[in-house]
Amino acid sequence: QSVLTQPPSVSAAPGQKVTISCSGSSSNIGNNYVSWYQQLPGTAPKLLIYDNNKRPSGIPDRFSGSKSGTSATLGITGLQTGDEADYYCETWDSSLSAGIFGGGTKLTVL
Amino acid sequence: EVQLVESGGGLVQPGGSLRLSCAASGFTVSSNHMTWVRQAPGKGLEWVSVIYSGGSTYYADSAKGRFIISRDNSKNTLYLQMNSLRAEDTAVYYCARGVAGRVTSQDYWGQGTLVTVSS
Repeated sequence: QSVLTQPPSVSAAPGQKVTISCSGSSSNIGNNYVSWYQQLPGTAPKLLIYDNNKRPSGIPDRFSGSKSGTSATLGITGLQTGDEADYYCETWDSSLSAGIFGGGTKLTVL
Repeated sequence: EVQLVESGGGLVQPGGSLRLSCAASGFTVSSNHMTWVRQAPGKGLEWVSVIYSGGSTYYADSAKGRFIISRDNSKNTLYLQMNSLRAEDTAVYYCARGVAGRVTSQDYWGQGTLVTVSS
């Protein structure tokens, strides 16, 4: 069981918006930056968001990130079938002195 | 172009050892934080270890005392020495480059190397 809690699955129709939550504590999300990754089947993870809300070069602005207190949220607008993937949040845990990932959320675009 | 290529995975018996390598090109390993992340079959991502550009190292509890992260600047290569391997260490192991100055956040990943611990 991960220190960071994500919903196991979310779904939405093409063109719609979806949000994925990541809940933690003051030792991790509350005092550290959050990153988000997309992992398509059989491939390595891809960085979507870092520093809570920054997008690396090449990531479309359909992807957004936010953080409030000890929770973070990934938002995806204009859903496409190609967005079907597993999504993970990541941060540092100051008590563990280690990085941690959320358990992952499977996105289905209906 | 930034590239990371892992090698060294394979089948190993419980209690055995393995050293993973991650050859980097297009950037200098010693100038970035470098991280190992693993993924057991059908499971989620698990952070394993990081070596900072300054040389400090940190480990997940599951890796402490058994795994050692290191780098060879002359070869621009990252390593993960894994000892006392257990069945639960079976996973695809990824190396990844940290976004400049960030403790976490990895912007480039290798393709992964599979480690199977079984008798």
